[in-house]
Order: sequence, then structure tokens, then C-alpha cells
Amino acid sequence: DTAVSQTPKYLVTQMGNDKSIKCEQNLGHDTMYWYKQDSKKFLKIMFSYNNKELIINETVPNRFSPKSPDKAHLNLHINSLELGDSAVYFCASSLSGLAEETQYFGPGTRLLVL
Amino acid sequence: SQQGEEDPQALSIQEGENATMNCSYKTSINNLQWYRQNSGRGLVHLILIRSNEREKHSGRLRVTLDTSKKSSSLLITASRAADTASYFCATDGTGANNLFFGTGTRLTVIP
Repeated sequence: DTAVSQTPKYLVTQMGNDKSIKCEQNLGHDTMYWYKQDSKKFLKIMFSYNNKELIINETVPNRFSPKSPDKAHLNLHINSLELGDSAVYFCASSLSGLAEETQYFGPGTRLLVL
Repeated sequence: SQQGEEDPQALSIQEGENATMNCSYKTSINNLQWYRQNSGRGLVHLILIRSNEREKHSGRLRVTLDTSKKSSSLLITASRAADTASYFCATDGTGANNLFFGTGTRLTVIP
């Protein structure tokens, strides 16, 4: 069974469109994260949610809006997509959000904005 | 920035050789973790070392931490072709509950 799953795996879209990426974890974890990995492989945290509440919100444009309907799901909606949004987006989860915990990553969503 | 920086950016070795990757960071930490990323996949946790530890082993992995130099190293002994991947260090900051990753070291093990 996949612990952290993301859909879609690939997303190709035009500038200005709105798109969503879904993430689900079946580990029973309380905390979920979204990361962005750019073309240079730099991995940067975007958001973290603990039990459906926003905990971390790094300096991310407000075109990005995470939504957590329950603690097993954290979706990412992106409005008015821009070329610079092209990247790989990873969802991750950890038991309770402490930095010393292992984070479990999904397989990534490769977003290409044309 | 609190992010770790891995060195070298890329490393190519023959199967059976040892691979050493280094990580430097800028602020005080509680813990440092190493993760591995196979091409096209998500990151997988390898090992965690706490700030009061100097060395830790897990199978063929050996991690050291020097908090005075704000650096860590990951040694993979007797490398295998399957070890080919990118390796990232991730640091927390004291008082922070999120991890800061660098850009990773891309390791290629040639069979």
C-alpha cells in the first residue's frame, strides 16, 4: 500500500489556468506538508498542516491555497499559473510535526506551465 | 537562510568504493537528517543524528556531525549501483518545527 500518494503525477497546463494537486496519506499522521523542488533540485517547504490546521506558511504567493478536508488529505490549489510555477511538488507527512520526526514523501507531481 | 548545502554537487565512483558527501549549515540545530531521492521519486529518510551525537551508523551508512563546524558527512561504504541517487541533508533550526533541505549531492555508482 502506498503511504503517501499524490495525483496527478504529471500536469502540463497553460499560463493563467487554475489547477489542483491532491495528496493523501494512510499512515495516520497528524501533519502534512507541501514542498516545491525547482530545476536545481532545491527543495523548499511551502506549507504544513497539523490536524487540518495551518502551521507553516512560508513566503508563498497567495495564488497557492492549501486545503485540508481531514488530516489524511492535503490538497494544493494554484490559481493563475505562471511559468515560474513549473517544478516538482512533493507532499509529505509526519507523525505529529516535530522536526526530529521522519517525513514520508509522496512520489511528486511534475508541473509544467507553458 | 537555514538551508543545508551539500558538497560535492555531483560524485561519480566505481561500485565497491566508498562515497562521502558533506553538508554544511548556518544556524544552530537540534537534529540533522539525511534523505535519499531516486530519480523521479520522492525522498526517503535514511538516518537522523541529534546535536549531542557525533557519529551514527546504520548498515553501510555512517553519519558524523560536528556542531562546532556546523557540518555533517554521510559515508556510504562498499557502494552499489543501486545507491545511485541524490542525497540531501535536512536541518531544523532551534525553535523551528520544519526542515530545511539543500540541493543535494547526485551520486552515480558505476557498475
